[in-house]
Amino acid sequence: EVQLLESGGGLVQPGGSLRLSCAVSGFTFSDFAMSWVRQAPGKGLEWVSSISGSGGTTYDANSVKGRFTISRDNPKNTLYLQMNTLRAEDTAVYYCAKAAVSYGFDYFDYWGQGTLVTVSS
Amino acid sequence: DIQMTQSPSTLSASLGDRVTITCRASQSISDWLAWYQQKPGKAPKLLIYKASSLESGVPLRFSGSGSGTEFTLTISNLQPDDFATYYCQQYDSYFTWTFGQGTKVEIK
Repeated sequence: EVQLLESGGGLVQPGGSLRLSCAVSGFTFSDFAMSWVRQAPGKGLEWVSSISGSGGTTYDANSVKGRFTISRDNPKNTLYLQMNTLRAEDTAVYYCAKAAVSYGFDYFDYWGQGTLVTVSS
Repeated sequence: DIQMTQSPSTLSASLGDRVTITCRASQSISDWLAWYQQKPGKAPKLLIYKASSLESGVPLRFSGSGSGTEFTLTISNLQPDDFATYYCQQYDSYFTWTFGQGTKVEIK
């Protein structure tokens, strides 16, 4: 059974940093690209970042470029999102999501339950 | 960036109804489109991929169609479990994945 479990969310002040983790099981982690998608309170879904299975290729949304860094530790079956210089508008539930097709970037077939990040003083 | 526009934003329907949600892309995305269902406080769930392919385990009352810039999600015989928010997502552009703004299906 595929499982994705996010952690690391919480309350942080503007300008602060936070690192999210997503522990996965039930599939060969290194074969699949992974992504982070966020949802501000009462709003729609926004893609944040994606990383290839090897970790060698990453993509970031313009809204987080230069502030957020996606990475992965394949032996530990864990995905990360390092978030720096956080702003109020980064407040959201952050989901990790698995690419549906191995060795490709496409749609997402499994999602975690999400972790809430609140940026406020 | 490719923009995705869904209509309507909210849809009121009754049990047993057939409902249709439209998603338009700002440029052609071939059939690289997925649909998700999201219930309050829950993660999105994949329903449809490649515009019209039904994800395993998804009821047959869900169907998708379209190509290029215009796509539809149809739910036939609306069931109580179907009241939720639906999002389309394009995955044509590798460097940015974009979602529609969502369509909430509520009980009339």
